[in-house]
Amino acid sequence: KQEVTQIPAALSVPEGENLVLNCSFTDSAIYNLQWFRQDPGKGLTSLLLIQSSQREQTSGRLNASLDKSSGRSTLYIAASQPGDSATYLCAVRRNSGNTPLVFGKGTRLSVIA
Amino acid sequence: EAGVTQFPSHSVIEKGQTVTLRCDPISGHDNLYWYRRVMGKEIKFLLHFVKESKQDESGMPNNRFLAERTGGTYSTLKVQPAELEDSGVYFCASSQDRGGIQYFGAGTRLSVL
Repeated sequence: KQEVTQIPAALSVPEGENLVLNCSFTDSAIYNLQWFRQDPGKGLTSLLLIQSSQREQTSGRLNASLDKSSGRSTLYIAASQPGDSATYLCAVRRNSGNTPLVFGKGTRLSVIA
Repeated sequence: EAGVTQFPSHSVIEKGQTVTLRCDPISGHDNLYWYRRVMGKEIKFLLHFVKESKQDESGMPNNRFLAERTGGTYSTLKVQPAELEDSGVYFCASSQDRGGIQYFGAGTRLSVL
């Protein structure tokens, strides 16, 4: 059974810092991995999707890496801003596109001005 | 283009009553998913439609939950009769491809008293 863990559960950093959010999964046979952002009372916004054959994806100040063999992904946020404050969720899809996403509980990020 | 739309945004009902949640996916997305997050837990998969057919309903908790997607457009999720443990946030997501990016709605917060 696939399990996804995100550490830390909460993180507070001063504005301008670079930071890394961690995601680990127990079954390395994944199809892809998706990082989401959720603002309070809002839905999930997809940030990056990494296919199992890829090592990383970048979008603006965000960079997500994937090490499938070790069951880990990281989301790197450069030069953090108060607007980055949100809950970040990691989700993996098992070994085919027909399987559902399995989510971690998320990391709640606060960027202090 | 409109995103995934869910309504109501919040529903408060008493135990034993019936509630119907609705999801309108992004136009042209054949794949529609329902997920749920109960207090303190991670988001969990409920079921997956491909057009009007149920592809995977392995996450449905019990037979008090009934999902439909008539005509392959919008979907409804009915809970009858509702129990206290059904309280949580119900998310709907859609995607164009089975393994592609899933786009989420803002969710319906269900409170069963």
